[in-house]
Amino acid sequence: RKEVEQDPGPFNVPEGATVAFNCTYSNSASQSFFWYRQDCRKEPKLLMSVYSSGNEDGRFTAQLNRASQYISLLIRDSKLSDSATYLCAVNRGASNTGKLIFGQGTTLQVKP
Amino acid sequence: GAVVSQHPSWVICKSGTSVKIECRSLDFQATTMFWYRQFPKQSLMLMATSNEGSKATYEQGVEKDKFLINHASLTLSTLTVTSAHPEDSSFYICSARRLDTQYFGPGTRLTVL
Repeated sequence: RKEVEQDPGPFNVPEGATVAFNCTYSNSASQSFFWYRQDCRKEPKLLMSVYSSGNEDGRFTAQLNRASQYISLLIRDSKLSDSATYLCAVNRGASNTGKLIFGQGTTLQVKP
Repeated sequence: GAVVSQHPSWVICKSGTSVKIECRSLDFQATTMFWYRQFPKQSLMLMATSNEGSKATYEQGVEKDKFLINHASLTLSTLTVTSAHPEDSSFYICSARRLDTQYFGPGTRLTVL
């Protein structure tokens, strides 16, 4: 089993739609979770950290479910500019080593 | 936000040559940097952790003699791909850690002919 798994998609949605991605992780000791956005042939950019209580940043909401070991990202009112690959990342292990393990990424295509 | 640069941004080389990639933290000091590799349509795979002033630690399956890492200063880590072969062609990305956030460099696209 992979340490971090995502549905690669692609998710094709119309503008204005709400779309949600899930990501599961295998190490129950992991403490830090992140969502990154990666555009084609570019480096990943931090979209948001995921906190235990859930957190929101504008149209983006991240949730953590420790019992089921998954994190989610919800995008509301999708824009064309949201088209990208979304990577979840989990800090390996209980301590904050900084070693990030990435999921395969989920591709989102927002269409007019 | 913090800035991390990489050089070169792309390189094409012949099989058997060695290629050095630099990763610099431009506006902060980083005692720890990380090197990742990304093949097409795949995720970033952590290769190694670069520690300033000490040996790098490599992930399982990554050959330390092939991927030489040097972290000689608090703002510079280098990755040398020795005797590169076509299967080493990939997108190499470094990151530098500042407090609890990792900042990624723009990546280096290596093509080995």
